[in-house]
Amino acid sequence: AQSVTQPDIHITVSEGASLELRCNYSYGATPYLFWYVQSPGQGLQLLLKYFSGDTLVQGIKGFEAEFKRSQSSFNLRKPSVHWSDAAEYFCAVDRREYGNKLVFGAGTILRVKS
Amino acid sequence: DAGVTQSPTHLIKTRGQQVTLRCSPKSGHDTVSWYQQALGQGPQFIFQYYEEEERQRGNFPDRFSGHQYPNYSSELNVNALLLGDSALYLCASSLRGREKLFFGSGTQLSVL
Repeated sequence: AQSVTQPDIHITVSEGASLELRCNYSYGATPYLFWYVQSPGQGLQLLLKYFSGDTLVQGIKGFEAEFKRSQSSFNLRKPSVHWSDAAEYFCAVDRREYGNKLVFGAGTILRVKS
Repeated sequence: DAGVTQSPTHLIKTRGQQVTLRCSPKSGHDTVSWYQQALGQGPQFIFQYYEEEERQRGNFPDRFSGHQYPNYSSELNVNALLLGDSALYLCASSLRGREKLFFGSGTQLSVL
């Protein structure tokens, strides 16, 4: 069965510092890959997605992610974190033949200190 | 343009009761998916509706059922509530064939 692992439950970074959130997936073929963000009391907002092609994908709010097939990873990065980035971040995968049946990781809570 | 709307936002029920949650998809979307997000966990796929039929289902018991209406709105029904059903229930809509989900803010269900 598919699984998504986000090894870090909590991460704290200083405002202006760089950020990397880790995501590893377990699946035989390359699935569709997503990063979502969830603020308290809110639904999920899509940050970026990877379907095929260039392995470095750009998203909203200055986020980017790199797909590494050899490592089954899809890590999220941001060069300079803002206080408003504090939220919970979820990595998700979708088997290409299913269509929008996402499997999510457990999430990483980002705290930003000033 | 309204996004995905869910009602109610909060709900408190007792074990054994039944509950109905509602979802209106984003304008132009024809597919609705439901997810359960327990505290401290990522969302889990419950099922997906398209053309008023359940098209895909996750690993949830038959106590969880749904419906989609001709206007694409959807309901999630849970019978014989258990304490473990306490969670945030998220509705997501999409256009069939498009890999982009839009999520609502969810319904927080507490079972006492």
